[in-house]
Amino acid sequence: AQSVTQLGSHVSVSEGALVLLRCNYSSSVPPYLFWYVQYPNQGLQLLLKYTSAATLVKGINGFEAEFKKSETSFHLTKPSAHMSDAAEYFCAVSELGSGNTGKLIFGQGTTLQVKP
Amino acid sequence: KAGVTQTPRYLIKTRGQQVTLSCSPISGHRSVSWYQQTPGQGLQFLFEYFSETQRNKGNFPGRFSGRQFSNSRSEMNVSTLELGDSALYLCASSLAGPPTDTQYFGPGTRLTVL
Repeated sequence: AQSVTQLGSHVSVSEGALVLLRCNYSSSVPPYLFWYVQYPNQGLQLLLKYTSAATLVKGINGFEAEFKKSETSFHLTKPSAHMSDAAEYFCAVSELGSGNTGKLIFGQGTTLQVKP
Repeated sequence: KAGVTQTPRYLIKTRGQQVTLSCSPISGHRSVSWYQQTPGQGLQFLFEYFSETQRNKGNFPGRFSGRQFSNSRSEMNVSTLELGDSALYLCASSLAGPPTDTQYFGPGTRLTVL
């Protein structure tokens, strides 16, 4: 079974600083990888998705992630943090199930705090 | 286009009761997945439906069940509620389902079991 590890359950940055949220996955086949963001009392919003078209994936709100097969990583970055980026971030990988369909396997999440 | 809607948003039940949660997917989406989110276990897959058929199921007891209607709306049911069933239940819809299609999530139903 596939798994996702997010390093650091809590990350704190200053407004304007670089945001780096780490994600490592285990997969024996090329995966579909996702980053979602969850604001308090809300569902998950898709930030970006990797589907093997390009190793550097650009998402919404200035976020991007780089797929590194040799490191089995898919870290999320943003050059300059904004107060509105404070939220919980989830990395996920798609796992194939029956009938060539699947499910998402999520990491434990990383809470991003942005200090003024 | 309207997003995924879930009703009710909040529920309070007592142990032993049963509960039904509803999910309306984005128009045109035929796949609906359900996830349970708790502080201890994180986000865990419950099941996925496509065209009224359950295609995938997670590792949850039989007390957790679901169904999908011809209009793609889905319901999940939890019988004989336990304290540990307190969680945020999230529904996600997509055109044809994971792994290739992006799943769009609803706001969730917060279930509290007393």
